[in-house]
Order: sequence, then structure tokens, then C-alpha cells
Amino acid sequence: AQKVTQAQTEISVVEKEDVTLDCVYETRDTTYYLFWYKQPPSGELVFLIRRNSFDEQNEISGRYSWNFQKSTSSFNFTITASQVVDSAVYFCALSETDKLIFGTGTRLQVFP
Amino acid sequence: DAGVTQSPTHLIKTRGQQVTLRCSPKSGHDTVSWYQQALGQGPQFIFQYYEEEERQRGNFPDRFSGHQFPNYSSELNVNALLLGDSALYLCASSLGSLGSPLHFGNGTRLTVT
Repeated sequence: AQKVTQAQTEISVVEKEDVTLDCVYETRDTTYYLFWYKQPPSGELVFLIRRNSFDEQNEISGRYSWNFQKSTSSFNFTITASQVVDSAVYFCALSETDKLIFGTGTRLQVFP
Repeated sequence: DAGVTQSPTHLIKTRGQQVTLRCSPKSGHDTVSWYQQALGQGPQFIFQYYEEEERQRGNFPDRFSGHQFPNYSSELNVNALLLGDSALYLCASSLGSLGSPLHFGNGTRLTVT
């Protein structure tokens, strides 16, 4: 069965600290996609990144970076120099067909 | 370019009633998916519509049904509401190909009393 685990329920940091959000997934398929979404208090899920199972290159986008390791079935997300605007719930998700399987999310609070 | 729009924003219903939620996809998207998000949980897949047909369905009872119109907009209907149906209902649109990112609306907050 497919499953996504985000063990960190809530993380609190002070502005400018770096923070890493963990994601571990389970799947039997060899072709799949992994995603990260951000959910601010407004409720809308904002797409951040997609990775396919054949692309293990790490990616950096501004202050955001992602580390995909198939050997450990992990797809971790790091925010460098966090800002108050980064406060939100972050979801990791797995897609094998057209549906997404979400983790339970990590609530990130960044304090000034 | 309008994103995914959902209506209404909030809704309060009584147990046993029926409800219809509406969604307009992002321009250019032909596939609509619906998710239920209970408080403190991740979204759960309800079903997906493509070319006006239900293409995939999650583990939800038949009380949950949907429809997609020729203009790709969609409705989610829930009959015989239960207290446990209280949640944020999210609509997402995409291009429908495997791995295509989903673009979500702001959701409809349904409260069943």
C-alpha cells in the first residue's frame, strides 16, 4: 500500500534559522511522483515542487531546497533563512496514478 | 488567468440534509479532483473527473457523488449528511496526465450540525 509519513507534527523556529521538514514514503511501484504543497491559513494548497522517481537530483529554488533519496524513500524539504511568511502547514504527497496520497502535514511556525 | 475557484466558501447544514459544492478549474485544465480534509489531517482523495466521467474514486461511500460539465466545471454532492462529513472540501484541477501538478482552490468549509 502507498503511504506518506511526516513524523514532525509541528516545528517552531526563530526567523533566519534553517529548518528541514521530513517526508518518508512507501510504494511498490517503480514509477511515481512526489510533491510538496504549502497550506497557509487561507486554506489553499500551493504547489511547491514535483519530482519523478527517476530523477534523484536535488533541487534548489531560492531559499527552498529538496533532497530526494530513493535508497531511504525520503523526500525532505529545507527552508534556509526562514521568514515569518513561511509559517504554514506543509504537506508531502505521493502520486502513482492520478490521485495524490498526502501525509498528515507539518505545521511550521516561524517567530520574528 | 483565474485559478481554481470554489463556491460557496462556507456552508452550514443539518444532519440528513444534502449539499452541492461547485468548482471551476484553472483555465486550460480538463481534469477535476475532489479532496476532503478533516481538521488536522491531510487531504483525502474522493474522486476525479475527466471528460465528464468519473475516472477514479477513493474510499468514500456512495453518498458522495459528482458531476463534470462540458466546460470542465464540476460539482460535488453529498447526501444524507453526517456529523463526520464536516471538513474542508478542496477541488483541484490539472491537465490529467500522470504526475501533472494539481492546482487547488481555497476550498469550501462544510459544517454539519
